[in-house]
Amino acid sequence: AQSVSQHNHHVILSEAASLELGCNYSYGGTVNLFWYVQYPGQHLQLLLKYFSGDPLVKGIKGFEAEFIKSKFSFNLRKPSVQWSDTAEYFCAVKRGTGFQKLVFGTGTRLLVSP
Amino acid sequence: IAGITQAPTSQILAAGRRMTLRCTQDMRHNAMYWYRQDLGLGLRLIHYSNTAGTTGKGEVPDGYSVSRANTDDFPLTLASAVPSQTSVYFCASSAGQTGELFFGEGSRLTVL
Repeated sequence: AQSVSQHNHHVILSEAASLELGCNYSYGGTVNLFWYVQYPGQHLQLLLKYFSGDPLVKGIKGFEAEFIKSKFSFNLRKPSVQWSDTAEYFCAVKRGTGFQKLVFGTGTRLLVSP
Repeated sequence: IAGITQAPTSQILAAGRRMTLRCTQDMRHNAMYWYRQDLGLGLRLIHYSNTAGTTGKGEVPDGYSVSRANTDDFPLTLASAVPSQTSVYFCASSAGQTGELFFGEGSRLTVL
């Protein structure tokens, strides 16, 4: 069965530190990849997505992610985090073409201290 | 504002009671989903519907049922609530086949 792994369950950083959150998936075929963010008390919002083309994807609020097909990875990065980035981050994968359900990782809780 | 509306936003329910969580979207998306979110477990798919009139089971369907009579509405019913169904429930929809989901604000359900 397809799975999505987020290795870091909790991350604590100081403001201005760099961020990298890992995401690996197990499916070997064509994939669509997503990062969602959930701010405290809110619903999930799309941060960025990869469908095809340039494997380096830029999203909102200075976030980016790199799709490395050979490593089955889609890590999320931000050069300098802010206190307002405190949230839970979810990686998600849709495999193949046509209708397929999105599979989510278990999430990474990021706490940025001012 | 276009989007997904869930109701109620919060509910406390006695075990054994029947409960329906409502979800309505106005984006004319074909596919709709119900997820539950639990600490440490992330989001788990309960049921989905890829078009009006059809539904399918996700990874945690037991104790839940759904219907999709039209494009806009996708209610989730707990026939006889149990404490393990205490969770935050998110409805979502998607257009096309990219997989990109749009989420509602969530319904926090507590079963005592």
